[in-house]
Amino acid sequence: EAGVAQSPRYKIIEKRQSVAFWCNPISGHATLYWYQQILGQGPKLLIQFQNNGVVDDSQLPKDRFSAERLKGVDSTLKIQPAKLEDSAVYLCASSPGASGFYNEQFFGPGTRLTVL
Amino acid sequence: AQSVTQLDSHVSVSEGTPVLLRCNYSSSYSPSLFWYVQHPNKGLQLLLKYTSAATLVKGINGFEAEFKKSETSFHLTKPSAHMSDAAEYFCVAAGGTSYGKLTFGQGTILTVHP
Repeated sequence: EAGVAQSPRYKIIEKRQSVAFWCNPISGHATLYWYQQILGQGPKLLIQFQNNGVVDDSQLPKDRFSAERLKGVDSTLKIQPAKLEDSAVYLCASSPGASGFYNEQFFGPGTRLTVL
Repeated sequence: AQSVTQLDSHVSVSEGTPVLLRCNYSSSYSPSLFWYVQHPNKGLQLLLKYTSAATLVKGINGFEAEFKKSETSFHLTKPSAHMSDAAEYFCVAAGGTSYGKLTFGQGTILTVHP
């Protein structure tokens, strides 16, 4: 089966610009996650969707980050405006089960963002 | 709240020698614990998971981990390292009020020398 797809793989922008990342989860997976992985650290959950609803966005910097999952399938994560500290790898993951019950999360290759 | 601490940021071994990657967790309940591996430019891959069944868990590629509640540890081991094992490894906890939410350790980079 096809894995989690993400695009672009790399992005370089100037600070204060905006950027968007796209994720297509494994077909049929109900739950979708966006993580931020800063160099030298483990991934940190930004937002979790159950179908097209938000389950947890407690660590999403809502003044500049937004995410949506229209139709409960693919998802976009946007940063506007970007700051230097947003330089990181943005990982998308999906899992087959409902939120509130652990199911294995399958990760995409990530998008490496560099903010200059 | 839960937290995960990986005790070594870098581990270097020779091919054919044992691997030990150390992980301690802190939790007010009994968590589920996992090890993920991340090869360069690849997505995170699940190596193994502990979910309150057997305390010795076997994973893919010859890796295994033992859950020790008294020591709050979940160390990852492999008897004989291969060059292909070189990667970054993450110890991860899940459970509690946000069951399903993963808390990652800081990662351990494993280098394997020929």
